[in-house]
Amino acid sequence: GESVGLHLPTLSVQEGDNSIINCAYSNSASDYFIWYKQESGKGPQFIIDIRSNMDKRQGQRVTVLLNKTVKHLSLQIAATQPGDSAVYFCAETSISGQNFVFGPGTRLSVLP
Amino acid sequence: NAGVTQTPKFRILKIGQSMTLQCTQDMNHNYMYWYRQDPGMGLKLIYYSVGAGITDKGEVPNGYNVSRSTTEDFPLRLELAAPSQTSVYFCASSYMAKNTEAFFGQGTRLTVV
Repeated sequence: GESVGLHLPTLSVQEGDNSIINCAYSNSASDYFIWYKQESGKGPQFIIDIRSNMDKRQGQRVTVLLNKTVKHLSLQIAATQPGDSAVYFCAETSISGQNFVFGPGTRLSVLP
Repeated sequence: NAGVTQTPKFRILKIGQSMTLQCTQDMNHNYMYWYRQDPGMGLKLIYYSVGAGITDKGEVPNGYNVSRSTTEDFPLRLELAAPSQTSVYFCASSYMAKNTEAFFGQGTRLTVV
């Protein structure tokens, strides 16, 4: 289930189930979005990106969906594995177009 | 291919001390960024640079300074360390700020006591 932790919202899923992580973005003019995965003690790592002229993009076990009408991104992870346990961030290009703005993050916890 | 390298990995500072966090990238990226990440929180932009000689403030620049004399290096300076600057600092770089990903270093964990 999904719950709000001390700071980061946490999503707990059973190993083998599908995970859906959501993100609301702020700038309606944003045209590029990225999902990052951050494992404990490491820097964020790129997972998948999507441009605003698309509403869906698939990678290996991951799918990103973009709904520009409600300014919403989601990351779907198929057959979630223990190695998927991490904090996931969405990012969008800033209004100035000169840097990235990160969402607050969601902690994914995979249960055995 | 080293990517983005940050040093040091860990540091403890006393209140009022100064230090420089080093960041270098070998991908010939124009854009470089410094973010801080407080425990259990997201990433906040401190400063960024769109090329050598050009820097600009991000969301939380107070207490920090940067310089970008070369494409490769983007050091972050703390002049008078305060407990509020206890955080994990990430440097990142990208070719552009859109349509390309940003690559991150491993982070510097700073504690101010």
